[in-house]
Amino acid sequence: QSVLAQPPSVSGAPGQRVTISCTGSSSNIGAPSDVHWYQQVPGSAPKLLMFANTNRPSGVPDRFSGSKSGTSASLAITGLQAEDEADYYCQSYDSSLSGFVFGTGTKVTVL
Amino acid sequence: EVQLLESGGGLVQPGGSLRLSCAASGFTFSSYAMNWVRQAPGKGLEWVSASGSGGSIFYADSVKGRFTISRDNSKNTLYLQMDSLRVDDTAVYYCVKSRGQLRNNYWFDCWGQGTLVTVSS
Repeated sequence: QSVLAQPPSVSGAPGQRVTISCTGSSSNIGAPSDVHWYQQVPGSAPKLLMFANTNRPSGVPDRFSGSKSGTSASLAITGLQAEDEADYYCQSYDSSLSGFVFGTGTKVTVL
Repeated sequence: EVQLLESGGGLVQPGGSLRLSCAASGFTFSSYAMNWVRQAPGKGLEWVSASGSGGSIFYADSVKGRFTISRDNSKNTLYLQMDSLRVDDTAVYYCVKSRGQLRNNYWFDCWGQGTLVTVSS
């Protein structure tokens, strides 16, 4: 059972804004440990989407943005597009487990 | 271009062993920490093990004592020796390059395509 909780699913119409929350605790996000985000299109390997809370790797559209506060983090997608339909995972380090942890995952559906 | 190519997956009986390999190219392999991350069918991602560039090694509690990570920097290859395999070890195993400081600021920047390990009688 993951220590980082995410909503199972979120959805929105093309062009809308959706947000995905990642809720942790004082032993991971609140330690503080940085939060990173990954996108996984069905049938493909995950891809890094955001690192160190708010940083986009080269090639990731600026429609994606990240934030972190206290023991939680969020990923926002503005101007939702059909190609954004995928599973999204947050990731951090947990000092109690002495290991890296992923969120439970959120499926984004474009209506 | 970074490339990570896993091999060695397959079907194994409970209690058996398997060795995964990951051939890396496109970057200075010895300078980066490397990892194995797995994904059970229809489930989320689970970090398995990390091998730091300086020799440090870390394991998830679920595999500690059963799995062994190693690397051969002369061959640009990462390995995962899996012993005492259990049915719940069934998953796609990804070889993953990482950045940042091992622990609080550490992320997975490049992923291989994965190799499927099935543990079943």
